Amino acid sequence: GAGVSQSPRYKVAKRGQDVALRCDPISGHVSLFWYQQALGQGPEFLTYFQNEAQLDKSGLPSDRFFAERPEGSVSTLKIQRTQQEDSAVYLCASSPRTGNNQPQHFGDGTRLSIL
Amino acid sequence: GDSVTQMEGPVTLSEEACLTINCTYTATGYPSLFWYVQYPGEGLQLLLKATKADDKGSNKGFEATYRKETTSFHLEKGSVQVSDSAVYFCALSFNFGNEKLTFGTGTRLTIIP
Repeated sequence: GAGVSQSPRYKVAKRGQDVALRCDPISGHVSLFWYQQALGQGPEFLTYFQNEAQLDKSGLPSDRFFAERPEGSVSTLKIQRTQQEDSAVYLCASSPRTGNNQPQHFGDGTRLSIL
Repeated sequence: GDSVTQMEGPVTLSEEACLTINCTYTATGYPSLFWYVQYPGEGLQLLLKATKADDKGSNKGFEATYRKETTSFHLEKGSVQVSDSAVYFCALSFNFGNEKLTFGTGTRLTIIP
């Protein structure tokens, strides 16, 4: 079956441009997470959705970062006025439901490079 | 805040050697603990987990035991294979509300034939 799909796989943008990263979770999965992984580091939490509701955005590094999941399925992470420090791999993960530590299924990520 | 500290790499071993990758955590309360693995060219995937003290998670010959007294969750394997070459991440989360994962920095393991 299809796993978590992220697009694009690679994105290069000039400093100051806006970018949008897409995540297609596994069908029917309630929970959706975004993580940021800098080179040589572990993933760091950005934001969490339960269906269409964004319940936690405490990890978003600045107000230039915005995420949405309007119909409770596909999610988009948008970064406005990109900076060089935004260069990282952005990972999306989904899980079937909340509670009982459901395993998170990760996509392959989008590698973002800001020039 | 919550944090995970894991053994720095890279780690290079010969095939059939014994493996231990250390992981300790700091958390308020009693989290669930995980090991995730990232094989070359692939996404992160769950290797094993333990949800309470003294639980042992196991998969693919790997094991880790949740030790509350030492706040540790070390990953072990008795005989590694070339196919085990990957980056291993220790992580924790709580089983209520937002189940976000807090990861360690990862340990790159290379097994040479």
